[in-house]
Amino acid sequence: EAGVAQSPRYKIIEKRQSVAFWCNPISGHATLYWYQQILGQGPKLLIQFQNNGVVDDSQLPKDRFSAERLKGVDSTLKIQPAKLEDSAVYLCASSFGTGDNQPQHFGDGTRLSIL
Amino acid sequence: GQNIDQPTEMTATEGAIVQINCTYQTSGFNGLFWYQQHAGEAPTFLSYNVLDGLEEKGRFSSFLSRSKGYSYLLLKELQMKDSASYLCAPAAGANNLFFGTGTRLTVIP
Repeated sequence: EAGVAQSPRYKIIEKRQSVAFWCNPISGHATLYWYQQILGQGPKLLIQFQNNGVVDDSQLPKDRFSAERLKGVDSTLKIQPAKLEDSAVYLCASSFGTGDNQPQHFGDGTRLSIL
Repeated sequence: GQNIDQPTEMTATEGAIVQINCTYQTSGFNGLFWYQQHAGEAPTFLSYNVLDGLEEKGRFSSFLSRSKGYSYLLLKELQMKDSASYLCAPAAGANNLFFGTGTRLTVIP
């Protein structure tokens, strides 16, 4: 079974520029998550999708971050404009559903550096 | 609100047993996950507990006490490859996970 695919693997931009990340979940997984992991911390949920609908985006800084999953499969996360504090690894995860004991499977992440 | 407490770092010897503790306070509780994360890699699923008690899976076991808001991960017969961060993540709502900062385990020869 293919895992969660993310691209790019690394990205370096200057502050105030825009950046987008792409995620392809495990086939058949209805639920998709985007996390931000700052160095030395655990992952923090940014947004959760169930198919193409948003389940939780309470921790997404909506003034600069946006995400979509238009066809209920692939997803993109965008930051516009980027700030220095956005330097982090952005992890995408997917699970079969939102029921109890559904483990989330993570991609390798995109490491974002803001200069 | 959510609060998760784990030791920041631990060191143990190859072949030994180590216990990583986690205490948590969450609004709503649907079970607790443990993940392993090697440096520069994605977290990988280790275990899930929803009922009180011990779940054993090979060299790894996980324990949960819901009334005490407490869990631990037990690693037996430690190997060098077990050097990693171990993340405690209680679940709430629709499979929302709240991750602690993780415990960085170093296994020494």
